[in-house]
Amino acid sequence: GAVVSQHPSRVICKSGTSVKIECRSLDFQATTMFWYRQFPKKSLMLMATSNEGSKATYEQGVEKDKFLINHASLTLSTLTVTSAHPEDSSFYICSASRGSLSGNTIYFGEGSWLTVV
Amino acid sequence: QKEVEQDPGPLSVPEGAIVSLNCTYSNSAFQYFMWYRQYSRKGPELLMYTYSSGNKEDGRFTAQVDKSSKYISLFIRDSQPSDSATYLCAIPNQAGTALIFGKGTTLSVSS
Repeated sequence: GAVVSQHPSRVICKSGTSVKIECRSLDFQATTMFWYRQFPKKSLMLMATSNEGSKATYEQGVEKDKFLINHASLTLSTLTVTSAHPEDSSFYICSASRGSLSGNTIYFGEGSWLTVV
Repeated sequence: QKEVEQDPGPLSVPEGAIVSLNCTYSNSAFQYFMWYRQYSRKGPELLMYTYSSGNKEDGRFTAQVDKSSKYISLFIRDSQPSDSATYLCAIPNQAGTALIFGKGTTLSVSS
């Protein structure tokens, strides 16, 4: 089956620094990639949707200058948390779609735990 | 009213029990319905999907959709401790541009 790889799985960074999380579709070309954030015992909150070669579409309330998303190729999207603060500590999950959002066309990465100290 | 509603639980059952997980949705235009399972500290994995009313069965799992009531269910038969996880229903939005997730129901199956 399709695999989405996310790296790093865990990262600890100092407050004020930036951290980059990568999301790769390993065996298919992802027309669209999604970035979610999940707080403990909460559901997934969609942060942004990115299509290869175009600017990401951010959900309301998500700071685009703080959460930079780059979708440079059909197999790679990156999320950079800039000037991270402790409140940015969370579980970040990407997903990739290889077609229309129907049935089994969306695959999730394993997630990245970010801790800002 | 939120687009997708799901009781977060938690739900605790003994091994072997039948589990019923449910979601309601507000937009009758929604066509596809998915159930994801998420183990602690892991990404969600697709469990089942369906796009029509009625039942779809896969092993111990049955997904049920009632479009007239805008109600979807996931049944787990002969539940096992390994089924302990959070179950999320998900529906593509009307534009087909993103998934809308329920809050997730945390299930614990005790042996």
